Amino acid sequence: KNEVEQSPQNLTAQEGEFITINCSYSVGISALHWLQQHPGGGIVSLFMLSSGKKKHGRLIATINIQEKHSSLHITASHPRDSAVYICAVPDGGSQGNLIFGKGTKLSVKP
Amino acid sequence: EPEVTQTPSHQVTQMGQEVILRCVPISNHLYFYWYRQILGQKVEFLVSFYNNEISEKSEIFDDQFSVERPDGSNFTLKIRSTKLEDSAMYFCASSGRLASYNEQFFGPGTRLTVL
Repeated sequence: KNEVEQSPQNLTAQEGEFITINCSYSVGISALHWLQQHPGGGIVSLFMLSSGKKKHGRLIATINIQEKHSSLHITASHPRDSAVYICAVPDGGSQGNLIFGKGTKLSVKP
Repeated sequence: EPEVTQTPSHQVTQMGQEVILRCVPISNHLYFYWYRQILGQKVEFLVSFYNNEISEKSEIFDDQFSVERPDGSNFTLKIRSTKLEDSAMYFCASSGRLASYNEQFFGPGTRLTVL
């Protein structure tokens, strides 16, 4: 069964700073998911990636399959980026059920 | 943009009562999931559903839980006799293809409080 570790657990940044959140997993995967959980609890899918890099606005996700590691970067952070960012990977079963990291709680101060 | 919806947003119930949590997945999706998140903990997989039957379930998903897709649009999670420890946020998700290869779309969640 895959184990997912995220770091840091908590992150406080000043508006405009470059943010990096890390995720590592123990078993090889076909794809990794980055999710955002709003303060109200809702979960939004940000990225699904299986290799290389993806970019969406100020968000960039990278993955190194050989090292079993992924990073989520936020450029020019803004207070509205404050949320919990969660890394999730398939558990290896046939239906793609996800195993989630504990999340990184990001707080961006104005 | 199509989205997954869940009702109710918050359910309060007495221990031992039955609850049904409802989800409407994205209409052309084929794979459906329930997850839960106990306050302060990580999201955990409960069950996956495909082709009108359970595909996989976790150890959490015991005989007190059941899922159903009664009418081709709704996807429900039933807890027969709720316990205090069932208090959590329950998320429904759907995917057009296996989440190994495709993203899952999550509903806004139902917060279940068992008193």
